[in-house]
Formats: sequence, structure tokens, C-alpha cells
Amino acid sequence: KAGVTQTPRYLIKTRGQQVTLSCSPISGHRSVSWYQQTPGQGLQFLFEYFSETQRNKGNFPGRFSGRQFSNSRSEMNVSTLELGDSALYLCASSTGTHQETQYFGPGTRLLVL
Amino acid sequence: GEDVEQSLFLSVREGDSSVINCTYTDSSSTYLYWYKQEPGAGLQLLTYIFSNMDMKQDQRLTVLLNKKDKHLSLRIADTQTGDSAIYFCAEKEGFQKLVFGTGTRLLVSP
Repeated sequence: KAGVTQTPRYLIKTRGQQVTLSCSPISGHRSVSWYQQTPGQGLQFLFEYFSETQRNKGNFPGRFSGRQFSNSRSEMNVSTLELGDSALYLCASSTGTHQETQYFGPGTRLLVL
Repeated sequence: GEDVEQSLFLSVREGDSSVINCTYTDSSSTYLYWYKQEPGAGLQLLTYIFSNMDMKQDQRLTVLLNKKDKHLSLRIADTQTGDSAIYFCAEKEGFQKLVFGTGTRLLVSP
């Protein structure tokens, strides 16, 4: 089985722009979660989607949004980028049941200048 | 809220055992995890333990869980240079939300 894929792997944007990141889960997995990793704040949960519905949301401003498509692929969008949004964005895939573990993709590294 | 705590750094010699410790926050957490992150890479799931277990062994990895003290540890036997990485413990809150520790950087010297 192919693993979790994320595109693009690297991005450079400037303040005020917006960005869209994509995540394709493992085949058969219906849950996709997103995390932000920074040196200062560590790994923080953004949100989780299951069957196209957001089930859980972390403490991030409304500039961070996401969606999930019927094929379970997910996108996250960050509008009005700030310097502090520079981070590694990781997505994780699972079947979505409470007992299941999450498998992470390689991440998208975003640099905001 | 409280943080999931880990020591920042651990240095061992090749062939020794490594023990990475974690103190978690939520006594109702049902699953606890250990992930490994190598430079420039995502997170690799190493192992997990269900909260009704005290110990789990998986090849060179041994996980110990002390629910009373909310303490989790990962022991790596016969540590190799390829084990050098950052190790994160994580607890699950509700549906798929993981709360991660601060990470422990393991350095294995020849």
C-alpha cells in the first residue's frame, strides 16, 4: 500500500498571500488530520476530517481552514499568511475509528517571507 | 493546559540501551504512542500501548506505562547510530487528535 502523500513538499510565500496544501491518505483510510510543527510550539493539532466532515478542531485562527473530498483527499488553506505560519505541516491518515493509529506523511515545509 | 513533558536530550553509545521518558496529562487517555522523526522527515509510528496494559515489547522496543504517575517510557535495546532521531510521545484525545510531547533528541555515538 502506498503511504500518505503530501504536495507540495516545499513552498515559499510572502506575507499576505494564501496557500493550499494537499494530502492524499492511505487507500481505504477515511480520516485525515493536520498538524503544524514549529520549533517554538512543537506539534500542534489543526483539525481532523472524516467522510468530508470536520470532526475536531484545534486552537488556530480562522485563517486556517480545511476540507475533505469524497475520495478522502484533504486540503488545508491558510489565508493572509504571517511570518509565524512558517512551519512543517503534517497530515496523518487513519481509518477513523477510535482504536486506529495514525500514519503521517512527509510534510509540507512552508516558508513565509 | 498542561504540557506532555519529555526530557530534551539523551546521548548514548552504540550498543547501549536508551530510555526515553514521558509524562502525559490526561489520565483518561486510552492510547499512548511513540513516534520517531528523522531530519527533514515526517513522523514514523514506532509503537503504541493501550491504557489497560503495563508493558508492551516489540523487537528492540519496550514500552512501560505507569498510569498512577501518568508516566510512559520507551526503551530501545542495543541502540544503533540509525536510531539517532527525535522521539515524540503522544496521547490521544477523543477522535483522532494527538497531543504530542516536546520531543527527545537521541544522539547515538559509535
